[in-house]
Amino acid sequence: GAGVSQSPSNKVTEKGKDVELRCDPISGHTALYWYRQSLGQGLEFLIYFQGNSAPDKSGLPSDRFSAERTGGSVSTLTIQRTQQEDSAVYLCASSPNHYEQYFGPGTRLTVT
Amino acid sequence: QKEVEQNSGPLSVPEGAIASLNCTYSDRGSQSFFWYRQYSGKSPELIMFIYSNGDKEDGRFTAQLNKASQYVSLLIRDSQPSDSATYLCAVGSNYQLIWGAGTKLIIKP
Repeated sequence: GAGVSQSPSNKVTEKGKDVELRCDPISGHTALYWYRQSLGQGLEFLIYFQGNSAPDKSGLPSDRFSAERTGGSVSTLTIQRTQQEDSAVYLCASSPNHYEQYFGPGTRLTVT
Repeated sequence: QKEVEQNSGPLSVPEGAIASLNCTYSDRGSQSFFWYRQYSGKSPELIMFIYSNGDKEDGRFTAQLNKASQYVSLLIRDSQPSDSATYLCAVGSNYQLIWGAGTKLIIKP
C-alpha cells in the first residue's frame, strides 16, 4: 500500500518568510509525528497527534512553529518568519500504535 | 530525563562477519524497543522491534533484549556492503519514541 508522503521534497526560502510543509500519513494510522533532523544529527521530536486528542506540542522549539491535523489525516507544519537555524530535514511519521513509526521521505528546508 | 545511549561509531566490520550494535536506555518501565536503519540522505526505516526479554530473529537480523540490564542489541549476520548505514535505537515511552543518536556502521568488502 501507499506509504507516508510529504511535500514539497525540497524548499528554499528567504529568511523571514513563512513556509508550510505537508504530510499525508498511511491510511488508518491514528498517530502522526513530526521530527526535525539537522545534518549529521539525530531526530528531534517536534509534535505528536493522536486521533482527536489535543496534540503534544512539547517539542516545538519556538512559537514560530505550529502544526495542525485536519480530519485525523493530513497534517501541515507551519514555520513563520523562518530563520537560518530552521534549515533541516523535516520528517513526518505515522503509526498504527504510537511506536511502530513509518517515515515519509522528508522535506529538506533551506533558509537563505 | 529519559535517555537512549548508543556508540556513535563508526563501527567497521568486514563483509561476511557479524555486526553487533548496542543500545542502553534509562527508563526501567519501557516495554517496547525498536531498531531503525537510516541510509545517508534517506529517512529512517523500521527493521526490527522487540517487546520481550530474549532474542528475536528475522532473516539475517537478531534483536536481543535484556530488561534487567536495560540493554538492547542488534546483530547482523553475514554483513553485506548494503548494510552500511546508521542504525537508530528507539525505546517506547509514554506514547512516543525516545531516540538514540545512532551508530554508523560500515561494512568493508
